[in-house]
Amino acid sequence: QSALTQPRSVSGSPGQSVTISCTGTNSDVGGYNSVTWYQQHPGKAPKLMIHDVSERPSGVPDRFSGSKSGNTASLTISGLQAEDEADYYCCSFAGSYTWVFGGGTELTVL
Amino acid sequence: EVQLVESGGGLVQPGGSLRLSCAASGFPFSSYWMHWVRQTPGKGLVWVSRINTDGSGTSYADSVKGRFTISRDNAKNTLYLQMKGLRGEDTAVYYCARDKGYGDYPDYWGQGTLVTVSS
Repeated sequence: QSALTQPRSVSGSPGQSVTISCTGTNSDVGGYNSVTWYQQHPGKAPKLMIHDVSERPSGVPDRFSGSKSGNTASLTISGLQAEDEADYYCCSFAGSYTWVFGGGTELTVL
Repeated sequence: EVQLVESGGGLVQPGGSLRLSCAASGFPFSSYWMHWVRQTPGKGLVWVSRINTDGSGTSYADSVKGRFTISRDNAKNTLYLQMKGLRGEDTAVYYCARDKGYGDYPDYWGQGTLVTVSS
């Protein structure tokens, strides 16, 4: 149950695009199409942004998109806005009804 | 509106016990799997445990297996986490979260309750 690997921080200017990677193993990210992404603002609860690798819940802007290749999942945010500045966490099903999160990525909008 | 409200956190000595509760409303609680997830202050999220709809199926992270017990009371719309043998590394904000379906992923989260393990 090792944490998934995410970059500690990424940054971008308003209007630009950023991509956050999430690397796991064949036992989690690579083994299941069950990757989710959460956004967390300081002092707030996590908010679901992407589920099942690339599906957006209703209400989440289409600027947010997800993908996966092999053992690495990615979250892309296009048209960056100031309110996107937050921490982002990936999560994957890891078999035997267990889940594993990434260490989190701090997104700074310059 | 889905609401999850955690309670029961506080300061506890190493080796001590604590029971967290999560009161659910706004959805048919007995029809959903539930999770506990924790977050060390200033650090990342860590999945802790999950329970199925009737409580007959549970799973745990290796770090808490044998020390923590997840349970639920569907009549009271409440999820629990009994924690024993607490260690300093268990210090965290504990969130309860609803599962989207039957072992899919956490979708709605509560605001969390802080557990501090210290002498």
